[in-house]
This record gives sequence, C-alpha cells and structure tokens, in this order.
Amino acid sequence: RKEVEQDPGPFNVPEGATVAFNCTYSNSASQSFFWYRQDCRKEPKLLMSVYSSGNEDGRFTAQLNRASQYISLLIRDSKLSDSATYLCVVDSLNFGNEKLTFGTGTRLTIIP
Amino acid sequence: DAGITQSPRYKITETGRQVTLMCHQTWSHSYMFWYRQDLGHGLRLIYYSAAADITDKGEVSDGYVVSRSKTENFPLTLESATRSQTSVYFCASSESVYEQFFGPGTRLTVL
Repeated sequence: RKEVEQDPGPFNVPEGATVAFNCTYSNSASQSFFWYRQDCRKEPKLLMSVYSSGNEDGRFTAQLNRASQYISLLIRDSKLSDSATYLCVVDSLNFGNEKLTFGTGTRLTIIP
Repeated sequence: DAGITQSPRYKITETGRQVTLMCHQTWSHSYMFWYRQDLGHGLRLIYYSAAADITDKGEVSDGYVVSRSKTENFPLTLESATRSQTSVYFCASSESVYEQFFGPGTRLTVL
C-alpha cells in the first residue's frame, strides 16, 4: 500500500461549483498534513496546512480524519485559476528523521 | 534576487556522463532537499540536508551524490547518468521539514 494515495482525476468542474478531494495515508503515526498546489510544468507550492480541528482559508477548507486516516480539501466557488494539480502531503519518520511524503496528485480543471 | 534557483533549467546528456545540477537559496534556510518527479510516482526524495556538512539519503538515492559545504548551495551529481534518471528534479529549502519552498525545477533528459 502506498504511504499516500490520491485519486489522480482529472476532475473537470464548471466554474463556480464546489469540488472536494480526499487523500488517504497509511502511517497512523503521522502528525502533520498539508496540501500543496502544482501548476502545469511549475514547482509545487504550499496551499495550506491541515489541522486536527479542520481549517479554512478563504474558499478552501481542509479536514483531517485521524480515525479513517484521510484528509480532504474542499474548494468552494471554484475559479478558472484553481486549475492545477493538488498534492496531498504527509509527514513520516524514516530512521528517526522526519520527512514529507507526497501523493501523486489530483488534477483539477475548471471549465468556463 | 531572493529565493531559490536551480541551474540549468534544461539539460540533455548521454548515458554514462556525469551531470551536476545546482541549487542555490538566499533565505539561509537550514534544510535543503532534492526530489525527482516522474509520472505515476509523484515527488520522491533523493537526498536532504539539515545543515551544512550534514546530508542524508532519501528513498531513491542510488546513483546520486550530494554535498553541502555552504548553507546556500546544495548541488546534486549524477555520477554516471542512466536513462532511468530522465526526470524533473526539484530542489527545495525550508526552516524545518515542513513548508518547503521549491525551485523552478531542472528537466533532465538522458539519451
């Protein structure tokens, strides 16, 4: 089983709609969770951290479910500029050193 | 300019040649990382460094060498390039393991 699994999509969503992605992780000891955004042929950029209580940043809401080991990202009122690949990122311990494990990403296209 | 830069941005080389990819950051971040990104695999960690002169292997370190003599530089060397090392390489830096800031990437093709 992969450490971090995401539905690769693509998700094709009309402008203004709400879209949600889930991501599952295998390491129950993971403590830190993030969503990164990657535009086509560009570098990944941190979109938001995911806190236990859930958190919101404008149109974006991130949730964590530790019992089921998944995190989610909800985008409301989607804009054309939201078209990108969204990477789910989870921390893990590797021989005593912490590192981040990146999912393969979910591709989102917003349709005018 | 402030930030993190990578050079070259594009590189074509031949099997067996040595190639060095450069990474430079101006934030004085302690941590620096090298990843490769391939279709179907996402970003995979090659090497990372917690400080100057401290480096550790990631999950796909075979065939790669790094050094970090200065905080701001973290070059990645492919000792003898193979076709399987054709990829996009990203360098990143951060003050901790989290919130990593990525460079623009180097697209490497090994013929």
